[in-house]
Amino acid sequence: DAKTTQPPSMDCAEGRAANLPCNHSTISGNEYVYWYRQIHSQGPQYIIHGLKNNETNEMASLIITEDRKSSTLILPHATLRDTAVYYCIVRGTQGGSEKLVFGKGTKLTVNP
Amino acid sequence: DTAVSQTPKYLVTQMGNDKSIKCEQNLGHDTMYWYKQDSKKFLKIMFSYNNKELIINETVPNRFSPKSPDKAHLNLHINSLELGDSAVYFCASSLRTSGGGETQYFGPGTRLLVL
Repeated sequence: DAKTTQPPSMDCAEGRAANLPCNHSTISGNEYVYWYRQIHSQGPQYIIHGLKNNETNEMASLIITEDRKSSTLILPHATLRDTAVYYCIVRGTQGGSEKLVFGKGTKLTVNP
Repeated sequence: DTAVSQTPKYLVTQMGNDKSIKCEQNLGHDTMYWYKQDSKKFLKIMFSYNNKELIINETVPNRFSPKSPDKAHLNLHINSLELGDSAVYFCASSLRTSGGGETQYFGPGTRLLVL
């Protein structure tokens, strides 16, 4: 089962910041928070990940609360092409290999 | 310069047939995965291989048999196809690191329809 909780859907106006929340209250100390997205009919696409500190890359920023029980993915200037399902994942490890457990995600719709 | 590629992109077949899906990655990764996305859009891991060795097998029927001829390839063979096997199958790869924080890169998916 997924260890995260996300709102099922969100809307955002084009050009505005999209802030996608995620709760992961049972996260363990060595577990990372990952964000992936799936644009319609495509394979999941990696966005960003973090452990404790806030992270930023060319796609997004990840804000992790100090207690690590929740995080927020920020798309600073959303475009229509950012319309997708966004998955927040707490990475589990089995046998030394990565195991991404996808939940239902948040369907983000960017409106013109 | 495709990173993770899958063939075929679409596969329509009859119940009871045997089919294979191929996956190749040119990223130099040592770990590869198969995921299944059903009609309700849930993505679930099926298998994971590291350096050609099976690492994860998620209670998948033994009609599904992954095969990894080398680190760059992970193929999925399915025997006696059933209607419930209809789904999108995604291949992914990653590079194992000692410190954690691996990133998986996904292929475009193979859309399997069993009639």
